[in-house]
Amino acid sequence: KAGVTQTPRYLIKTRGQQVTLSCSPISGHRSVSWYQQTPGQGLQFLFEYFSETQRNKGNFPGRFSGRQFSNSRSEMNVSTLELGDSALYLCASRPPSGGPDTQYFGPGTRLTVL
Amino acid sequence: AQKITQTQPGMFVQEKEAVTLDCTYDTSDQSYGLFWYKQPSSGEMIFLIYQGSYDEQNATEGRYSLNFQKARKSANLVISASQLGDSAMYFCAMREGSGGSNYKLTFGKGTLLTVNP
Repeated sequence: KAGVTQTPRYLIKTRGQQVTLSCSPISGHRSVSWYQQTPGQGLQFLFEYFSETQRNKGNFPGRFSGRQFSNSRSEMNVSTLELGDSALYLCASRPPSGGPDTQYFGPGTRLTVL
Repeated sequence: AQKITQTQPGMFVQEKEAVTLDCTYDTSDQSYGLFWYKQPSSGEMIFLIYQGSYDEQNATEGRYSLNFQKARKSANLVISASQLGDSAMYFCAMREGSGGSNYKLTFGKGTLLTVNP
């Protein structure tokens, strides 16, 4: 089975721009979560989507948003980029209930804001 | 208070030796899950091992075992017979509650493991 895929792998933007990151979960997984990883704050939960609905949200400003499509693919959008948004953004998917209680991560998108 | 504490920023181990990475956690939930992930320099988080709060046996996955001491709220990762490819950042994480619609992982700061030849 193919793992979680994320595109693009690297991205460079300037302050004030917006960015969209994409994540395709493992086949059959309907839950997709996003995490931000920075050297200062470590790994922080952004949000989780399940069946096209946001179920859970971390403590991030409204500039961070996401959505999920009917095929479970998810996108994350950051508007009005700030220097502090430079980070590795990781997407993770989880099997349906009854399966292993584990999130499987993709390779991440490394975003640099100049 | 931090929910997940990893007190070892860095660890060194000789190839073929065993190493223990420490993790303590803080939660008032009765049901929770504990995870260890490995992150090589490439950035991908690789799942290693899982322990549920109600599991009585310590989890094992190949060369990885989780030393779960519930009363002490610790979930240490033991890697036996270290290999050069084990050099990476290791994160301990916790899922509080029973998961379901409120599933999120809280991570520790990580331990950078270096395996010396």
